[in-house]
Amino acid sequence: QVQLQESGPGLVKPSETLSLTCTVSGGSVSSGYYYWSWIRQPPGKGLEWIGYIYYSGSTHYNPSLKSRVTISVDTSKNQFSLKLSSVTAADTAIYYCAREGVKHDLDYWGQGTLVTVSS
Amino acid sequence: QSVLTQPPSASGTPGQRVTVSCSGSSSNIGSSPVNWYQQLPGTAPKLLIYTNTQRPSGVPDRFSGSKSGTSASLAISGLQSEDEADYYCATWDDSLNAHVVFGGGTKLTVL
Repeated sequence: QVQLQESGPGLVKPSETLSLTCTVSGGSVSSGYYYWSWIRQPPGKGLEWIGYIYYSGSTHYNPSLKSRVTISVDTSKNQFSLKLSSVTAADTAIYYCAREGVKHDLDYWGQGTLVTVSS
Repeated sequence: QSVLTQPPSASGTPGQRVTVSCSGSSSNIGSSPVNWYQQLPGTAPKLLIYTNTQRPSGVPDRFSGSKSGTSASLAISGLQSEDEADYYCATWDDSLNAHVVFGGGTKLTVL
């Protein structure tokens, strides 16, 4: 059973960089069959796809966030990470990591972590 | 404003059949498979239907999906109280800046 777990600071100051890590167990980020993705959900609102990374390091980002997002992978630790720069209050959300299939179905999700942007 | 359009709310009584619609365009639903997610209160989304009509292991056959042209639908038959949740459709949008797009979500209330 694949499990994903997000970790990182729950509070980030405006203009700083949000950094989160997703640790995968029961599966490998080196699998060539899947992408590894980040999705976010502002409190009380809908889902927004942030982007994904492939084990080779190739990435694909939501165009609305592309200028501020970096997703990276550490195959030795079976982890992948998200960095979102120049955050504002609008970036306050629950951030989820997930496994994404080749047809873009998100079949395993982490429990999510709330990140609040506030001074 | 979401790329995929869903009704904000839906409701039904126990045992009824309800449907949730998802409308898109030729660059998304019209050219890519649709996936559906169920989000129970306070929990992470769960994959409910993938590739338009397929159910992951463990999802009851009361849940079914369909797609026609640039629209898709989720049907829930034999509605149960535990089906009260938010439902999201999603697909790949193959426009100039291709990415995964979600519908705005439909809150299903079991009366």
